Amino acid sequence: GDSVTQMEGPVTLSEEAFLTINCTYTATGYPSLFWYVQYPGEGLQLLLKATKADDKGSNKGFEATYRKETTSFHLEKGSVQVSDSAVYFCALDPSNTGKLIFGQGTTLQVKP
Amino acid sequence: DAGVTQSPTHLIKTRGQQVTLRCSPKSGHDTVSWYQQALGQGPQFIFQYYEEEERQRGNFPDRFSGHQFPNYSSELNVNALLLGDSALYLCASGFGPGQETQYFGPGTRLLVL
Repeated sequence: GDSVTQMEGPVTLSEEAFLTINCTYTATGYPSLFWYVQYPGEGLQLLLKATKADDKGSNKGFEATYRKETTSFHLEKGSVQVSDSAVYFCALDPSNTGKLIFGQGTTLQVKP
Repeated sequence: DAGVTQSPTHLIKTRGQQVTLRCSPKSGHDTVSWYQQALGQGPQFIFQYYEEEERQRGNFPDRFSGHQFPNYSSELNVNALLLGDSALYLCASGFGPGQETQYFGPGTRLLVL
């Protein structure tokens, strides 16, 4: 069945370090892909999305490219800040009907 | 413009009881989905409501049921609560069942003792 696998955390980085959080997926057809972020004590917020192969989603310095050949949607940021500390979820919508399938989440901690 | 709101924020129940959680979608949205997020896990899709009907359902037992009202707000009902139902319940809203962007509420934290 459809699924999402994320790299396990926690990921601990120093401020201004480069971030990569790996995400791979299994799906038939042409899913849409998403990254959501959950800050402490808050709900999920959409960070970025991509709806077709080779699309690049970007927001707040974060980027992810929809790679169909490797079934991946890795999240990257060139220089993280302490305020980026949160849990990041990769998700897919297999049939573009609003039914999201989430990975298990990756906790990012950025130290000053 | 209010976002997605959920009530209550926290709830404690005992095994076997029933619970009702409520969600008001973001203004202009007509579709509501419910998710269960166990501690340390990603959210799992429970079901989706559009035009007052359940449109899609995830792998959850019939103890989980819902309703959507004419004003697009929604309720999630869970009967015969089990300890394993303890989780954060998230509501998400969007425009149309095929919409790409869903906006999530802050969730209701349910503890079953």
